[in-house]
Amino acid sequence: GENVEQHPSTLSVQEGDSAVIKCTYSDSASNYFPWYKQELGKRPQLIIDIRSNVGEKKDQRRAVTLNKTAKHFSLHITETQPEDSAVYFCAASGTGRRALTFGSGTRLQVQP
Amino acid sequence: ETGVTQTPRHLVMGMTNKKSLKCEQHLGHNAMYWYKQSAKKPLELMFVYSLEERVENNSVPSRFSPECPNSSHLFLHLHTLQPEDSALYLCASSQDLVGVGTGELFFGEGSRLTVL
Repeated sequence: GENVEQHPSTLSVQEGDSAVIKCTYSDSASNYFPWYKQELGKRPQLIIDIRSNVGEKKDQRRAVTLNKTAKHFSLHITETQPEDSAVYFCAASGTGRRALTFGSGTRLQVQP
Repeated sequence: ETGVTQTPRHLVMGMTNKKSLKCEQHLGHNAMYWYKQSAKKPLELMFVYSLEERVENNSVPSRFSPECPNSSHLFLHLHTLQPEDSALYLCASSQDLVGVGTGELFFGEGSRLTVL
C-alpha cells in the first residue's frame, strides 16, 4: 500500500518568513496530493491540492509543487501570519483507491 | 459548518464498557470514513463505506465494529477497549470514494475517547 512520510514534524518561523513542508510517497500510481490544515481543537480542512498532471499550483500565499520522478511534493507558505499556526497534513491517493493516506503532520508555529 | 457532525464530542469509558460513536453528514455524500488520530501519528484509516457498503477494513481489531445504516449515518461501536485505544476518532465524508471523485474529505470535529 501507499506510505507517506512528512518532514519536519515541527516548524517555527517568524511572522513574514516563508515555511516549507515536504512529503514523499511510495506508490508511483498515486496521482492526487491534498494538504489539510488542522487548527488546535478543530477539524482538518482541505486547503490546497495538486494532481499529477501539473507540477505546481498556487493559491494566494500557498503553493504546492510536485516532483513525480522523485515522488515528493511540498507545501510552501509565504509571508506567514500567526493564523497560519496549525498542524498541516499531506496526503496521497490514486485512481481506484478508496481513501487518502496521510503523513504524520507538521506543527507550524508562526511567532509574531 | 462543514455538514459533518459527530457525537459525543468527548467520551470516557472503562475497558469493559460498550459505547458507540455517531457520525451524520448532511452533504449528500456517498462515501464515509472513520479515521483514528493519535498524538504524533498519521491519521490512520479504519473503515471506508461507499453507499452503505463497507469497502475497506484496514486491519482494525474486532473490538471496533462499524455500522452504516444509510448513506448519511455512520456508527462506530466500541467494546472491551484498551487504554491504547484512547485517541481522537474522526469521521469524514466525500462525494464519492477518493479515487473516483474529487477527493476532498469533509471531516467532523471528532470524538475524543479516553479508555481507563
